[in-house]
Amino acid sequence: SQTIHQWPATLVQPVGSPLSLECTVEGTSNPNLYWYRQAAGRGLQLLFYSVGIGQISSEVPQNLSASRPQDRQFILSSKKLLLSDSGFYLCAWSVRLKSRMGNQPQHFGDGTRLSIL
Amino acid sequence: AQSVTQLGSHVSVSEGALVLLRCNYSSSVPPYLFWYVQYPNQGLQLLLKYTTGATLVKGINGFEAEFKKSETSFHLTKPSAHMSDAAEYFCAVTEGWRDDKIIFGKGTRLHILP
Repeated sequence: SQTIHQWPATLVQPVGSPLSLECTVEGTSNPNLYWYRQAAGRGLQLLFYSVGIGQISSEVPQNLSASRPQDRQFILSSKKLLLSDSGFYLCAWSVRLKSRMGNQPQHFGDGTRLSIL
Repeated sequence: AQSVTQLGSHVSVSEGALVLLRCNYSSSVPPYLFWYVQYPNQGLQLLLKYTTGATLVKGINGFEAEFKKSETSFHLTKPSAHMSDAAEYFCAVTEGWRDDKIIFGKGTRLHILP
């Protein structure tokens, strides 16, 4: 069966410090990978989307970047954190079909709670 | 463009009562629809999905949802609420035909009253 791991679970960082959040998926190959941010009362905001190694689509211009160095590894980074980067960050994956039908659900990790001081 | 509207950011029901969480969507293509549940400090868990076929979809934990094209709705129901159902629920629609991105509603927090 497939599993998704995110770490760390919680993180407290000072303003201006760098960030690296990691997500890995097991039990599947060539998945679509996603990074979301969830702010209280605002639902989920898609940050980045990847369909393959080195292929990253940025959905919202901001202080963050993403990389996919391996097929099942997705990393969210920042060089200098802002107060507005606080939130709950979620990684997700979905099956990537050759004939894309858009009917595949996304499967989520347990998230990282990021607090910026 | 696709969009999802969840009516009511907070819904309270008594234990044992019917749960009804409302979701309306807007889509220019045949939609694929999902309901997710999120417990505190956890990720989202898929409850059920509608892709094609039967419009009444059964999911986990006794939940079901009915796709009504004429009403552009995909409401989530459960006949009898349990305390463990207290959580936030998200309705979602695929962004587009042959698209792997999903548009989420803003969520409805379900409170269960003893």
